[in-house]
Amino acid sequence: GESVGLHLPTLSVQEGDNSIINCAYSNSASDYFIWYKQESGKGPQFIIDIRSNMDKRQGQRVTVLLNKTVKHLSLQIAATQPGDSAVYFCAENITNTGNQFYFGTGTSLTVIP
Amino acid sequence: GAVVSQHPSWVICKSGTSVKIECRSLDFQATTMFWYRQFPKQSLMLMATSNEGSKATYEQGVEKDKFLINHASLTLSTLTVTSAHPEDSSFYICSARLRGVTDTQYFGPGTRLTVL
Repeated sequence: GESVGLHLPTLSVQEGDNSIINCAYSNSASDYFIWYKQESGKGPQFIIDIRSNMDKRQGQRVTVLLNKTVKHLSLQIAATQPGDSAVYFCAENITNTGNQFYFGTGTSLTVIP
Repeated sequence: GAVVSQHPSWVICKSGTSVKIECRSLDFQATTMFWYRQFPKQSLMLMATSNEGSKATYEQGVEKDKFLINHASLTLSTLTVTSAHPEDSSFYICSARLRGVTDTQYFGPGTRLTVL
């Protein structure tokens, strides 16, 4: 079956540094990916998405990189701030399953002031 | 845009009672909504897919009679936990699919259910 996993369950970074959160997926048929941020006690919040016809996409302080060859994507957060502390999930969409998203286990990011 | 709300945000109930959770897409129509369950420090577990005007599609292992889903309109889906028991205590999150090129899902804020 499909699996979406994250390399590191926890990540601590100093405020102001850049953060990189990684995600591996197993299904080469996946063509759409989303990064979500979930703060404690809240629902996941959409951060940025990328389609499989792209290698890189940038948002405000965030960049998502997609490497289809090794089925890997990453989320880069520039100048990490305390408000970035949260759990980050990557979600994989496989179109032939009715647009159901599969989620990884999540990476907990802690920003040290 | 693309705001999804849930109500209530937190509910505490006695064992044996039924609890209804509402999920609304506030500024868009959602023909498909999804219901997830999340345990502490774990990922989201898809429970069912709610389709407007038709029966929900449940994931394997999810009891249909236990978790009743009604997608009454293009902006509202409800999840009713029937005869709730302490093991049903969890964080329930809905999402609504915004139709378009990529069919992005937007999540509600979640509902914390505590069954005593």
